[in-house]
Amino acid sequence: ETGVTQTPRHLVMGMTNKKSLKCEQHLGHNAMYWYKQSAKKPLELMFVYSLEERVENNSVPSRFSPECPNSSHLFLHLHTLQPEDSALYLCASSQGLIGTDTQYFGPGTRLTVL
Amino acid sequence: QKEVEQDPGPLSVPEGAIVSLNCTYSNSAFQYFMWYRQYSRKGPELLMYTYSSGNKEDGRFTAQVDKSSKYISLFIRDSQPSDSATYLCAMIAGSARQLTFGSGTQLTVLP
Repeated sequence: ETGVTQTPRHLVMGMTNKKSLKCEQHLGHNAMYWYKQSAKKPLELMFVYSLEERVENNSVPSRFSPECPNSSHLFLHLHTLQPEDSALYLCASSQGLIGTDTQYFGPGTRLTVL
Repeated sequence: QKEVEQDPGPLSVPEGAIVSLNCTYSNSAFQYFMWYRQYSRKGPELLMYTYSSGNKEDGRFTAQVDKSSKYISLFIRDSQPSDSATYLCAMIAGSARQLTFGSGTQLTVLP
């Protein structure tokens, strides 16, 4: 398998559930990202990891908890979410963090919170 | 004021038309400019990447950057129904973690 993969592709959860989103990159990259994409809004950067260390946390509520066990895998743990958290969650990776390092995106997980 | 402004559309054109997609920005520190294409139910894929003022061509696609006016454009020649997608402009000031996106323009090319 190549590129950036995400599982599950679709997720429906209640506000009291706990679930996790998984991202895996097969590109040998060192940086990984979580984005939130809501309808008619720009992609919002949530978290950035470089060499498994979190380097950016864009004021994301604590009900979203990222985990990066190695440079190929990234998780987003979800608990007690709100209906307004329903969105497409995209994972991306890049070789590094310099400006010329292109980000490659996965297909996303479509999350619906009931 | 948003850092990056992009007309959301939707934009509908006949097959074969020339399409012009545009973004304006306010942060003069932006150095690198990208266009991503996002098909329905897919993640964004990089289409064009440029870092200097002027034009860059790749097949039917031309990216144009005017740093003095803080304006970037993507032109699609001989548009095809397969070009129907949402086009996102994006730009970076320094670090790749500071990638800032426009809200996207939804394009439909009618056969």
